[in-house]
Amino acid sequence: DAKTTQPPSMDCAEGRAANLPCNHSTISGNEYVYWYRQIHSQGPQYIIHGLKNNETNEMASLIITEDRKSSTLILPHATLRDTAVYYCIVSRSNDYKLSFGAGTTVTVRA
Amino acid sequence: DARVTQTPRHKVTEMGQEVTMRCQPILGHNTVFWYRQTMMQGLELLAYFRNRAPLDDSGMPKDRFSAEMPDATLATLKIQPSEPRDSAVYFCASGLSITDTQYFGPGTRLTVL
Repeated sequence: DAKTTQPPSMDCAEGRAANLPCNHSTISGNEYVYWYRQIHSQGPQYIIHGLKNNETNEMASLIITEDRKSSTLILPHATLRDTAVYYCIVSRSNDYKLSFGAGTTVTVRA
Repeated sequence: DARVTQTPRHKVTEMGQEVTMRCQPILGHNTVFWYRQTMMQGLELLAYFRNRAPLDDSGMPKDRFSAEMPDATLATLKIQPSEPRDSAVYFCASGLSITDTQYFGPGTRLTVL
């Protein structure tokens, strides 16, 4: 599976959009980009995933560059409850193995 | 709101004791995963079941760990004998299929003294 690179941490002001970058320059054509987050003392939570088109759901938007070598997770209006570790994972659609790296620790401040 | 449940939430035991962790997957999900999370190693996949059959347990120490699904509503992870290095948070996750989103439980925090 392709490896991902994320910044170790970032701060965000409450109510503002949080833009979380992820580099996956070795991604293959059949690999999806998944985002999970883990709030302290809880299990990881699925956020969104995509192949090459931008995706949006009730939690977030996922923007994937045309060359698919990087992506950005957007939390449109961050709240204090969005403080968590966010994991960007690249995986084939038929591969159950999710490789969780170190992720980005996002702190939303009032 | 369907959720994966895990019991116990916390377990403190002494080295050498047997530990059994239980997981109830979301009703209708036929895939179950066991993960372990430590500060040093992060989240690691231990085992994977589909339709109650173990398909991949390559991430699990074979000599002391065992995973089973006695029925569709219960998955168990057993450690015998436990060691201090097994101290971690153990997560169970379930999904509708191999390609489905994985839904994680709240975890079992295990401390082996």
